[in-house]
Amino acid sequence: DAGVTQSPTHLIKTRGQQVTLRCSPKSGHDTVSWYQQALGQGPQFIFQYYEEEERQRGNFPDRFSGHQFPNYSSELNVNALLLGDSALYLCASSPQGGEQFFGPGTRLTVL
Amino acid sequence: KQEVTQIPAALSVPEGENLVLNCSFTDSAIYNLQWFRQDPGKGLTSLLLIQSSQREQTSGRLNASLDKSSGRSTLYIAASQPGDSATYLCAVHSGTYKYIFGTGTRLKVLA
Repeated sequence: DAGVTQSPTHLIKTRGQQVTLRCSPKSGHDTVSWYQQALGQGPQFIFQYYEEEERQRGNFPDRFSGHQFPNYSSELNVNALLLGDSALYLCASSPQGGEQFFGPGTRLTVL
Repeated sequence: KQEVTQIPAALSVPEGENLVLNCSFTDSAIYNLQWFRQDPGKGLTSLLLIQSSQREQTSGRLNASLDKSSGRSTLYIAASQPGDSATYLCAVHSGTYKYIFGTGTRLKVLA
C-alpha cells in the first residue's frame, strides 16, 4: 500500500499566479481533506471532499478551491497567489468518519 | 469553538529522560484525539489515536492519556533518544469533519 501521495514535492510561484496541488488517497479511502501549515504553526483545515463534493470548509477565501475525482484523488487550486500563501500543504485521506492519514506535503513558496 | 493548546512550545532534554507533553482543548465533546510527529519540512506521522471512550493508548515507549472532563491529554515518552527529536502535534476531532491542531511542542533530545 503506497499510502497517501502528493505532488509536486516543492513548488515556487510568483505573486498573482495560480497553482494546482495533487493528492492520491490511501487505498480504500474515499474522503480527502486539505490543510495549510504555515511555518511554526499547526495545520489549518482548508476543506474536505467526499463523493466528489466539498463537504466542509475552513476559514479560507474563495481563491482556494478543490476537486475530487471518481477515483477519490483530489486537487487543490489556489488562484491569485499571495506571499502569505507560502506554506506546507498537507493532504489527508480517510474512510468516511475514520482516522485520517497524512501525506508528505507540498512545500509552496510564493515570491 | 474548539481551541487546542500545547505546552510547552519547546523542550530540550538530555537523552534517557522520561518526559511529558501536554495538550489541552476547550470543548470536551470530542470524537477522538490523535498525536502526531513531524520532522522538519515533512508530513505528519500518526503516533497514537485515542477514541473518546478510551482513557489511554500505548505504543512502545509512548503512552497517551485522555481526560475529556478536564479537556486534557498527555503524551508520555519513556527513555528519550536523540531520534525522538521532532515536533509533536495533538489534534482533536470533534465530530465535524476536520481535525483542530495545536501549535505543537518542538522537542530536542541531546545525546
